[in-house]
Amino acid sequence: QVQLVESGGGVVQPGRSLRLSCAASGFTFTNYGIHWVRQAPGKGLEWVAVIWYDESNKYYADSVRGRFTISRDNSKNTLYLQMNSLRAEDTAIYYCARDSVDVWGQGTTVTVSS
Amino acid sequence: EIVLTQSPGTLSLSPGERATLSCRASQSVSSSYLAWYQQKPGQAPRLLIYGASNRATGIPDRFSGSGSGTDFTLTISRLEPEDFAVYYCQQYGSSFWTFGQGTKVEIK
Repeated sequence: QVQLVESGGGVVQPGRSLRLSCAASGFTFTNYGIHWVRQAPGKGLEWVAVIWYDESNKYYADSVRGRFTISRDNSKNTLYLQMNSLRAEDTAIYYCARDSVDVWGQGTTVTVSS
Repeated sequence: EIVLTQSPGTLSLSPGERATLSCRASQSVSSSYLAWYQQKPGQAPRLLIYGASNRATGIPDRFSGSGSGTDFTLTISRLEPEDFAVYYCQQYGSSFWTFGQGTKVEIK
């Protein structure tokens, strides 16, 4: 079936790095842009980044620009989020979602704490 | 950036009652690229409505969306016990998605 599955979350110290993955299946990955959206504990949804279907454009929220990098490997149907210089305020559940908004993953949890 | 403001913050209603949730945009939402989601604790957001008024697959017809431009509404005609949750609106008309802050529908 059509799905996105995130992985790579965990507990990391401030200032360290982490890479999240989002594996797609059940649809033609190269037809869609994919977004990362996060949700801090007890808070609302915050858009993080997007990469177009052909990797021609990437956009970031101000809160992560310069620290996070979105990429994709269309041969592996996989999206990535490289997160550097992590801060406590990056603690959240990270979701990937198709740009058609109809398919979301279940999320992976990132905790930044010393 | 399009800012979405949802009201009210919390809606206290009883099962069987009608719920009306509002989402106002700071500027016109392109081509009605406005979606509504339901989220329950520990779960990912669930798409209810896309394109302002189109129900997503499998969504009961008690959920309906309306509006255009800067004013949008989600209506739940008769609340079922499983409808008590947090609801978010989202604009996806540009690459920079934005979300409303959410409306919590709680049992009165």
